Amino acid sequence: GAGVSQSPRYKVAKRGQDVALRCDPISGHVSLFWYQQALGQGPEFLTYFQNEAQLDKSGLPSDRFFAERPEGSVSTLKIQRTQQEDSAVYLCASSLARVGDWRTEAFFGQGTRLTVV
Amino acid sequence: QKEVEQDPGPLSVPEGAIVSLNCTYSNSAFQYFMWYRQYSRKGPELLMYTYSSGNKEDGRFTAQVDKSSKYISLFIRDSQPSDSATYLCAMKTSYDKVIFGPGTSLSVIP
Repeated sequence: GAGVSQSPRYKVAKRGQDVALRCDPISGHVSLFWYQQALGQGPEFLTYFQNEAQLDKSGLPSDRFFAERPEGSVSTLKIQRTQQEDSAVYLCASSLARVGDWRTEAFFGQGTRLTVV
Repeated sequence: QKEVEQDPGPLSVPEGAIVSLNCTYSNSAFQYFMWYRQYSRKGPELLMYTYSSGNKEDGRFTAQVDKSSKYISLFIRDSQPSDSATYLCAMKTSYDKVIFGPGTSLSVIP
C-alpha cells in the first residue's frame, strides 16, 4: 500500500478484555515501531522490530503488552486484560533503515484509538 | 524530569506571523533532531531532520539546533491556517528509538 495502515481505527474494550491491534507497514520497510500516545502528549516508545526480530521492548509498560512480527512484515500489538490507563492512541511507524542508519525517516500510520471502559 | 521538554501551548497567531517553537532536552547523547507535524486524528509526519548544531532551512521552515545549550527551535515564516496542528520535537542517539516532546498546539487565525 501507499502508507502505513493500522486497524482497527477505533476500538472500545471493556476492562479486562484482550485486544489485538494490527499494523501493515510500507512494503519493504525493515524497521517497525510501536508508540503509545496519550491525549495531549507526545508519542511514547513501546517497542522496535528489525524484520522479525524484536530488538527493543523496553517501552512496553507491563507484561500485559506483547508485540510480534513473525514474518517481518505485518505486526500485531496485543494487550491482555485491558485497564483504563491503557486508553490511548497506538501508533505504528515503519522505515527503510536498519539500526545505526541515521538517515531514517519513519512513516507513521493514523493510529488505533483504544478506549477502555 | 522528562528527557525532552516542550511548551504545550496552545499558541494562537494571526496569519502571516512568524512562529517560534522550542524544545529543551537533557540527554547530551542525542545527535539527531527532528520536527514532526501532527494534524488532529492523524499520525505524525516528518517536517525537518537535522544532525548536530546549526541551522537548516526548507521553504518557510527553519530548524535550529544548539547542542551546547541543549535547545532546538523551529521557525515558521508567513504562517498559514493550514499550519494549524500540533508540532512535536523529537530526537535520538545513533539508534532508531525516537524520543518525542509532548507537542505544542498551534492555531493560525485567518
